[in-house]
Amino acid sequence: GNSVTQMEGPVTLSEEAFLTINCTYTATGYPSLFWYVQYPGEGLQLLLKATKADDKGSNKGFEATYRKETTSFHLEKGSVQVSDSAVYFCALSDRNTGNQFYFGTGTSLTVIP
Amino acid sequence: KAGVTQTPRYLIKTRGQQVTLSCSPISGHRSVSWYQQTPGQGLQFLFEYFSETQRNKGNFPGRFSGRQFSNSRSEMNVSTLELGDSALYLCASSLRSGSSYNEQFFGPGTRLTVL
Repeated sequence: GNSVTQMEGPVTLSEEAFLTINCTYTATGYPSLFWYVQYPGEGLQLLLKATKADDKGSNKGFEATYRKETTSFHLEKGSVQVSDSAVYFCALSDRNTGNQFYFGTGTSLTVIP
Repeated sequence: KAGVTQTPRYLIKTRGQQVTLSCSPISGHRSVSWYQQTPGQGLQFLFEYFSETQRNKGNFPGRFSGRQFSNSRSEMNVSTLELGDSALYLCASSLRSGSSYNEQFFGPGTRLTVL
């Protein structure tokens, strides 16, 4: 079946530090991969996506590359800011299951000045 | 373009009651999905509606039901509420169904507390 395994949190970093949040997946078909971010008291916002192997999604300084050989989609940012403090979710969708998204457990990130 | 709206934002009910949550998708979006978010279970898929038909259903008991109207607005209903139903219920809309390329746009959620 489909599933997403995400790095456990919480993660605490100093401002301008390098961020990596690991995400690996299992899928029966040809999934698209997503990173969503959730700020306190809000719903999820799409951060970036990749729809096929070797695609790189990027947005607001965040990047993730769809690696089929390692079934991974790790999120990276070169220099985090306090405003990046949030919970990050890795997710996949599979054309065989329509719009059902499979989410990881979420990784809480706190960036301290 | 207005985003996904959910009403109410907060709800407090007691065990045994029933509740109806509402979701208005982004204009032009025809697919609406519902998720339950809890600290213990994370985000779990409830169901998806497209063109007033349920397309997919997650592993939840029959107390959880939904429907979609001709204007794509959707409601979900939970009957005979249990303490464990306390959660953030998120609605997400997409342009269409059946494609893994779809982005889902989430609403702010309805926070349900069952006492």
